Amino acid sequence: RKEVEQDPGPFNVPEGATVAFNCTYSNSASQSFFWYRQDCRKEPKLLMSVYSSGNEDGRFTAQLNRASQYISLLIRDSKLSDSATYLCVVTLTGNQFYFGTGTSLTVIP
Amino acid sequence: NAGVTQTPKFQVLKTGQSMTLQCAQDMNHEYMSWYRQDPGMGLRLIHYSVGAGITDQGEVPNGYNVSRSTTEDFPLRLLSAAPSQTSVYFCASSPRYTGTAELFFGEGSRLTVL
Repeated sequence: RKEVEQDPGPFNVPEGATVAFNCTYSNSASQSFFWYRQDCRKEPKLLMSVYSSGNEDGRFTAQLNRASQYISLLIRDSKLSDSATYLCVVTLTGNQFYFGTGTSLTVIP
Repeated sequence: NAGVTQTPKFQVLKTGQSMTLQCAQDMNHEYMSWYRQDPGMGLRLIHYSVGAGITDQGEVPNGYNVSRSTTEDFPLRLLSAAPSQTSVYFCASSPRYTGTAELFFGEGSRLTVL
């Protein structure tokens, strides 16, 4: 069983749309949670950490539900530049980061 | 402004050959790690290190060796390359090994094993 599961998509949305991604993790002892963004043929880069109380960074909102073991990412007012693959990441112990397979987003003009 | 530097960016090997992927970081990070990324599989941890002289295995360590003689460098060695090791390899570092800090990635090394 994979530590982290994501819907691979693809999600194709028009500019200005709101889109949400979900991610589930299998181990209730998971400690930290993140969303990374990966552009085509590039390295992953941190988009935002996910806190238990939920957190927002501009158009991006991340939520964590420990009881149901899922993490979500909401993107409002989508821009063309948001087109990328979004990776859900959890840590089990401090030393091992587990990545989901990623959800592909294309924002259409 | 180097960050994490990986070399080479591209490599083609024949089955059975050996090679070393180099990774260097100039941020004085304690934690360094190697991942491979395959279609439909996501990034999988190969080996990691929490400091000079300390290394440990990740999810998929077979066929790979690492060492950490300095804080800056964390090379990944393929002892006898196999076609199943065709992948994109990423080195990543972090200032702490508590799992709460950001991972900084190199640009990746694309390896093809024929």
